[in-house]
Amino acid sequence: DTAVSQTPKYLVTQMGNDKSIKCEQNLGHDTMYWYKQDSKKFLKIMFSYNNKELIINETVPNRFSPKSPDKAHLNLHINSLELGDSAVYFCASSTGQGNTEAFFGQGTRLTVV
Amino acid sequence: EDQVTQSPEALRLQEGESSSLNCSYTVSGLRGLFWYRQDPGKGPEFLFTLYSAGEEKEKERLKATLTKKESFLHITAPKPEDSATYLCAVPPRGGSQGNLIFGKGTKLSVKP
Repeated sequence: DTAVSQTPKYLVTQMGNDKSIKCEQNLGHDTMYWYKQDSKKFLKIMFSYNNKELIINETVPNRFSPKSPDKAHLNLHINSLELGDSAVYFCASSTGQGNTEAFFGQGTRLTVV
Repeated sequence: EDQVTQSPEALRLQEGESSSLNCSYTVSGLRGLFWYRQDPGKGPEFLFTLYSAGEEKEKERLKATLTKKESFLHITAPKPEDSATYLCAVPPRGGSQGNLIFGKGTKLSVKP
């Protein structure tokens, strides 16, 4: 069983559309994250979320919003997509306790045309 | 500002040729330094966590070490399957757990 799974793996869409990426983890972790990896392969945190707190990286446009129906899922909604949103988006999870490592999904490659 | 810098950006080795990758960081009150491996088209895969200066961890041909300012990932007698991008990351000062600042990575290519 995949520990952190994302769907879809690839997403091609037109500018202005609204899209969602789904993420599920079966590790029983309390905290989930969304990271963005740009064309230069630089990985940056977008959000961290547990059942108590959402922390947003201040550089993330408000067109991006995480939605968590339960502890095992954290979906990413993107409104009014722009060309610059093209990137690979990674979901991750951790226990959120102490200095523990994060486990990553396989990524969703988003291409906005 | 908390920062992670990795060098070199790219490293080409012959199979069996040992070398080291560097990760330097500027964050006060280090709460762990993480090494990940990323293969093309995949998510980062966790390798090691180091918490204090002098600590070392090993896994197969990889050994990670930590000082107060930097970490090294030593690769002994690498094989082609060790080819990947190696990422170093630290939690920012005051950041939530798992919220990591990543370096830009070192792309390692090992030729047979």
